[in-house]
Amino acid sequence: GAVVSQHPSWVICKSGTSVKIECRSLDFQATTMFWYRQFPKQSLMLMATSNEGSKATYEQGVEKDKFLINHASLTLSTLTVTSAHPEDSSFYICSARDRRVSYEQYFGPGTRLTVT
Amino acid sequence: AQSVTQLDSQVPVFEEAPVELRCNYSSSVSVYLFWYVQYPNQGLQLLLKYLSGSTLVKGINGFEAEFNKSQTSFHLRKPSVHISDTAEYFCAVSDRNSGSGNTGKLIFGQGTTLQVKP
Repeated sequence: GAVVSQHPSWVICKSGTSVKIECRSLDFQATTMFWYRQFPKQSLMLMATSNEGSKATYEQGVEKDKFLINHASLTLSTLTVTSAHPEDSSFYICSARDRRVSYEQYFGPGTRLTVT
Repeated sequence: AQSVTQLDSQVPVFEEAPVELRCNYSSSVSVYLFWYVQYPNQGLQLLLKYLSGSTLVKGINGFEAEFNKSQTSFHLRKPSVHISDTAEYFCAVSDRNSGSGNTGKLIFGQGTTLQVKP
């Protein structure tokens, strides 16, 4: 089956630093990847859509200069949280759309970010 | 634009009892419909999906859902739940238009917490 990995699975960083989260499709090529944010006991909030070789499309209200997304290849997208603050602490989940199966997304296991 | 409403935020149920998790959607275009399950501190796992054809869809772990176009609903059911079914369940839709402007992004409902009691 289609597998998506995220690294790291959890990270603690100090306020003001930057942290990078990787999302990889392990056994398929993903022309499109999605980044979500999830607060405790809440649903997933789409942050941005990442297309290989082009700039990401951010949802309204998401600061593109704070959440930098790079989709460098058909199997890798990265999310960098710049100048992190405690309010950025959250669960970040990525998903990838198989270029051959356009209607389905496969989700990564998520990354727990804690900013102290 | 699309929206998804999960009518129950929490559903407590005893083990081996049947359960139904309700989902209604609103969309001006035809959609694909999905149910996902999320266990604590994990990503989402696809339970089942409706793409076309038979309106009754069977998924993993004994779950099934029925697409009702006239009521714009896609309720999830299981005839007998287990303790291990305790989790968060999300209903989602995506635009089925295959045009170049369709990114395939999912619109999620608010989630329903299924609490299975012994």
